[in-house]
Order: sequence, then structure tokens, then C-alpha cells
Amino acid sequence: NAGVTQTPKFQVLKTGQSMTLQCAQDMNHNSMYWYRQDPGMGLRLIYYSASEGTTDKGEVPNGYNVSRLNKREFSLRLESAAPSQTSVYFCASTPGLGSLDHRYFGPGTRLTVL
Amino acid sequence: GQQLNQSPQSMFIQEGEDVSMNCTSSSIFNTWLWYKQDPGEGPVLLIALYKAGELTSNGRLTAQFGITRKDSFLNISASIPSDVGIYFCAGQNYGGSQGNLIFGKGTKLSVKP
Repeated sequence: NAGVTQTPKFQVLKTGQSMTLQCAQDMNHNSMYWYRQDPGMGLRLIYYSASEGTTDKGEVPNGYNVSRLNKREFSLRLESAAPSQTSVYFCASTPGLGSLDHRYFGPGTRLTVL
Repeated sequence: GQQLNQSPQSMFIQEGEDVSMNCTSSSIFNTWLWYKQDPGEGPVLLIALYKAGELTSNGRLTAQFGITRKDSFLNISASIPSDVGIYFCAGQNYGGSQGNLIFGKGTKLSVKP
């Protein structure tokens, strides 16, 4: 099992450009998450999908959209990138929303917006 | 919103020394988790704690769920160079629509051989 995979690993964008970050998991998990990590800020939740067909906002959703394409895949879209979106983005998954479920994280996408 | 205070922010230690870090919260949590993030990688779960007062070990790592349910600590004994990384605590409550996990800001550990 590959676990949680993310593409691309690195990306440089110009302000105003758009792009989609891809995430897939092969663990048959129901719930998937997108986090961003900034220096000294820990991990902040952008959006999550409790199950296929549902998505909800997290702590910092502005400037992002998500799509739960199927049970395996959860993508994050930046419609008009801004320098404030320079960050490391992590996708994660859990079997469900229960409190005993811990997050399995992907390796991250390092995004720079110029 | 809920916040976790994780300390220290960073540590520079000699190989072989013991390490201690902790997290405190103004809110009660039902689950405490400790993750480690190696440079360039995603966080990986080290220890999960589910009961107040619980003390759990994983090799040289020991973590405890505080009795008040508002704090947790992680100890690493006899540190080695591969312990380098960022350690995150995370707290979670039952219920709610999102099963949200609140992360601390991390403790960056550097180990001198």
C-alpha cells in the first residue's frame, strides 16, 4: 500500500495563476483532509471531506476549493494564487470521523507563489 | 477557537540526553496524539492517548495524558541523531461534525552527535 500520495511535490506559481493539488489514498478511508503548514503555525485545516460526496470548511478555507472526486481522491484548487498561499500543503485521511481515528498524512506539496 | 500551547518551541541537545516537551490547552480533550515530522516529510503518528492519566511507551518514547485532560507530555530518553525533527501534539474531542484535530505549533528538536 502506498498510503496517502500527493502530486506535485513542488510547484512555483505566479500571482493570479490557478492550480490543483491532487491527493489519493489506497487505505479505503472514508474521511480526507487538507492542511497547510506555515513556519511557527503548526498545521491548520483548510477543508475536509467526512465521506464521499461531502465537503466542509475548516479553519482557513478562504481562497481554496475542494472536490471529493471519489472515495480515493480529494483535490484542492487555488483559483487565483496569492503570495499568502505560499506554504506546504498536506493531505491526510482517516477511516472515519471518530475520535479514535488518527490522521495518516501524505508527503506534502511545497508551493511557492511569487 | 481552541488552542494548544506547545513548549519548548525548539531544543538543541547532545546525543544521549533525555528530552521532555509538553502541550497545554484551555479546553478538555478526549484524545491526545503525538506526531513526528522528519524534514521534507509528512507527520507520522508516534503515540496515541485515549484516557486521562494514561501513560504509554513506544520504545524510547513515553507520553502521558494529563489527569485534568488539558495537558500531555512527551519524553524521549537517550536521544539519537535520527530523533531530529519537529514533534507535534494534537488534541481531539468527541462529537462535532468534523472530528477536528487541533495541532500545537511544534517543537523542533536538534541533536548534536
